[in-house]
Amino acid sequence: KNQVEQSPQSLIILEGKNCTLQCNYTVSPFSNLRWYKQDTGRGPVSLTIMTFSENTKSNGRYTATLDADTKQSSLHITASQLSDSASYICVVSDRGSTLGRLYFGRGTQLTVWP
Amino acid sequence: EADIYQTPRYLVIGTGKKITLECSQTMGHDKMYWYQQDPGMELHLIHYSYGVNSTEKGDLSSESTVSRIRTEHFPLTLESARPSHTSQYLCASSEAGTGGGKNTDTQYFGPGTRLTVL
Repeated sequence: KNQVEQSPQSLIILEGKNCTLQCNYTVSPFSNLRWYKQDTGRGPVSLTIMTFSENTKSNGRYTATLDADTKQSSLHITASQLSDSASYICVVSDRGSTLGRLYFGRGTQLTVWP
Repeated sequence: EADIYQTPRYLVIGTGKKITLECSQTMGHDKMYWYQQDPGMELHLIHYSYGVNSTEKGDLSSESTVSRIRTEHFPLTLESARPSHTSQYLCASSEAGTGGGKNTDTQYFGPGTRLTVL
């Protein structure tokens, strides 16, 4: 069964600290993996996208890694800011159809305290 | 910032009412989607469209219907709302895929409509 599991479910850190969010998936065949940021009451916004051959991709203070062999991804946030408080969603796409079906994780709710 | 809009942002209605959630995008995207999201849960695809006059049901069974008469507009309708329809509804759009079974096109999401049915 194609699934995307994220951990932790929620995380609280102090402003300025680093953190790492995890994503494990069983989606096959694999096309790409995205990390989205969803602010409360808003729609998700894409942070990074990685295909099978990419191991690391950065977007400012966000760095995503992908290990396609173990089917794991992480999102590392450095020097956290209050505005980083949001839900971070891991989304995996298969290549089993032209639609490229998306499988969503439940997200990690990150709270950054001052 | 994605140019995709949803109205209303919040809606509280009584059981049995007919409602239409609006979604518009100005990016000229062919593909559009409707998702349902409950708090702390993953997004579930309920409808999608490849283009004008094309609509398909998604993975999650839904009593809602959609139409795609214009590229930029993808409204979702509930003929008779029930409390079980209470949820957040997110609209998204993306450019046409590259074909060959690969899908790297990013979906751009609207701000969502929070629906509460009493």
